[in-house]
Amino acid sequence: EAAVTQSPRSKVAVTGGKVTLSCHQTNNHDYMYWYRQDTGHGLRLIHYSYVADSTEKGDIPDGYKASRPSQENFSLILELASLSQTAVYFCASTRQGESAETLYFGSGTRLTVL
Amino acid sequence: AQSVTQPDARVTVSEGASLQLRCKYSYSGTPYLFWYVQYPRQGLQLLLKYYSGDPVVQGVNGFEAEFSKSNSSFHLRKASVHWSDSAVYFCVLSLAGNTGKLIFGLGTTLQVQP
Repeated sequence: EAAVTQSPRSKVAVTGGKVTLSCHQTNNHDYMYWYRQDTGHGLRLIHYSYVADSTEKGDIPDGYKASRPSQENFSLILELASLSQTAVYFCASTRQGESAETLYFGSGTRLTVL
Repeated sequence: AQSVTQPDARVTVSEGASLQLRCKYSYSGTPYLFWYVQYPRQGLQLLLKYYSGDPVVQGVNGFEAEFSKSNSSFHLRKASVHWSDSAVYFCVLSLAGNTGKLIFGLGTTLQVQP
């Protein structure tokens, strides 16, 4: 079974601080995604990547950067964390060419910005 | 614009009762439709999917869904629910040809009472 591991499981950050969320997958998937989950908004796509060393903007990229240093790892970076970025963040992956059915999600990172 | 509407934010049923969770979509193209389930403190897992053909699709754990093009709907059903079915259920629209371009409904929280 596909495995997507996120770290940390939860984090408390201060406003203006830098936060890095990490995601690791062990399935040789080409596509990786970062989603944000908020009450009343469902899941929204922040950034995604098709290949190592390349990232693309999703639907709500403002205030976030992404890094894909290798096929297995995909990070989400908040350079200046803000209160509005308090949310649960999910990483997901899928193989190249596959449709959405094969998205595998991590267990999420609960971020609280104070 | 494409959208997914789950009109019921919360549904409560008794164990052993039947279940229907409603989903309406808006999309002029060919829809790929999915139901995902999110158990507490976990990521999303695929329940079932519809691409084409038989409008009734079977999923895991006794769930099924029926696609209706005329009603733009994709309702989820189960004949007899178990307490372990308590979770958040997301209806998801994938735009044909766009891997990972998902549009999530806001989710329906299902509570099964013993």
